[in-house]
Amino acid sequence: GAGVSQSPRYKVAKRGQDVALRCDPISGHVSLFWYQQALGQGPEFLTYFQNEAQLDKSGLPSDRFFAERPEGSVSTLKIQRTQQEDSAVYLCASSFQTPGGEQYFGPGTRLTVT
Amino acid sequence: RKEVEQDPGPFNVPEGATVAFNCTYSNSASQSFFWYRQDCRKEPKLLMSVYSSGNEDGRFTAQLNRASQYISLLIRDSKLSDSATYLCVVPSGGSYIPTFGRGTSLIVHP
Repeated sequence: GAGVSQSPRYKVAKRGQDVALRCDPISGHVSLFWYQQALGQGPEFLTYFQNEAQLDKSGLPSDRFFAERPEGSVSTLKIQRTQQEDSAVYLCASSFQTPGGEQYFGPGTRLTVT
Repeated sequence: RKEVEQDPGPFNVPEGATVAFNCTYSNSASQSFFWYRQDCRKEPKLLMSVYSSGNEDGRFTAQLNRASQYISLLIRDSKLSDSATYLCVVPSGGSYIPTFGRGTSLIVHP
């Protein structure tokens, strides 16, 4: 397909486990964003890549969160030692332009930490 | 004050009604604005871009008011299928990172 894909779609983790969430953006899109969305809230910015460079990680809530995009295409968001408050939907979006342009979202990964 | 604010609603309107939502923002340097639609348990999808002159697409009209720092979305002749959450997005900060409002819930009933 031509859209943004994310995997897994659902993830249940026990508290303290590490998880890795994958995002495959639209081919040729320069910008890639990760967001965290809690129920009833809008997406909250986590981090932004322009190609392989992580230009902004100001939204990552703690040093347990780490993201990478080593070849400027696929990105992985890793959460170490998961906590219950990490339960949320994690959305990935890509954009042809640098920030400020239209974004295309993947279906999200719903993470539940028990 | 939050960077982007929206009335969460819900706005409950009958089919055929006209409804409008506002979204206020605090960064006066923002240049481009967007409205996204999000259905329950789905990802946000781009509805409209909002540039200086505003934008109209069928039953949907988006306007920008720079002086008062808000954008608006007007939906005419509401359909049942318009029921969703409408998110505004304003690029914020020095690197113009997209900042989402919490969304406004619209329920269109028969």
